[in-house]
Amino acid sequence: GENVEQHPSTLSVQEGDSAVIKCTYSDSASNYFPWYKQELGKGPQLIIDIRSNVGEKKDQRIAVTLNKTAKHFSLHITETQPEDSAVYFCAEEMNRDDKIIFGKGTRLHILP
Amino acid sequence: EAQVTQNPRYLITVTGKKLTVTCSQNMNHEYMSWYRQDPGLGLRQIYYSMNVEVTDKGDVPEGYKVSRKEKRNFPLILESPSPNQTSLYFCASSLFRRGTEAFFGQGTRLTVV
Repeated sequence: GENVEQHPSTLSVQEGDSAVIKCTYSDSASNYFPWYKQELGKGPQLIIDIRSNVGEKKDQRIAVTLNKTAKHFSLHITETQPEDSAVYFCAEEMNRDDKIIFGKGTRLHILP
Repeated sequence: EAQVTQNPRYLITVTGKKLTVTCSQNMNHEYMSWYRQDPGLGLRQIYYSMNVEVTDKGDVPEGYKVSRKEKRNFPLILESPSPNQTSLYFCASSLFRRGTEAFFGQGTRLTVV
C-alpha cells in the first residue's frame, strides 16, 4: 500500500554533531520528495526537496540524498545547532494519483 | 504577506454538533489540502483539491467534507463530530499539484467531547 517509512522516530545528537534521518517510499514512479520541519506550535515548513532526476542536493548545513533503486531518501544535517531541535517529516508525492504521503516524523533533540 | 490562514486556532465542541474550520490562502495557489496530525501517526491527508470545484479523498476522509467554491478558500466541515476526530488539523496550499512547496497554516486544535 501507499506508505512512507521514516526512521528513527526520536533522535538525540550533541550540538555540533551530524544528524541523519532516513525514509523509504513505496512507489517507484514517484518523483518529488520534500522534507518539512515543524517547530513547536507551528505548521510544517519546507526545508529542502529533491526530484528523482537528482541524487543529492545541498543547502548550507542541510543535504538530501536519493537512492531510486532502493527507494530510500535521507536528510543530513551537519554542525547541528539548538535551533535544529524540531520534528522533521519526509514526504512522497505519489505519481499514480494526486496524494501526498508523509512519514510519521522524527523528533530531533540537540543536546548542549 | 503570503500565508495560509486557518480559523479557529482552538475549538472545543460536543459530539454531533456540526462545525466548520475555515482555510484561506492569498497566493493564488491551485492545490489545497487538509491534514490531521496525531501522535505517532504523523500527518495524514484528509481531502485535497486540484482547483475550484475539484476535490478528492485523501487517506482518511471518513467523517469529513470539503468544498472549493473559490480558489482561495477550502473549508473543512465536520457534519457530526465524534471524539475520534479530536486532533490537530492543518490546511496547506501549493502553487501546483506536482513538485511545488506546500505552505501550511498554523493549525487548528480540535477537541470533541
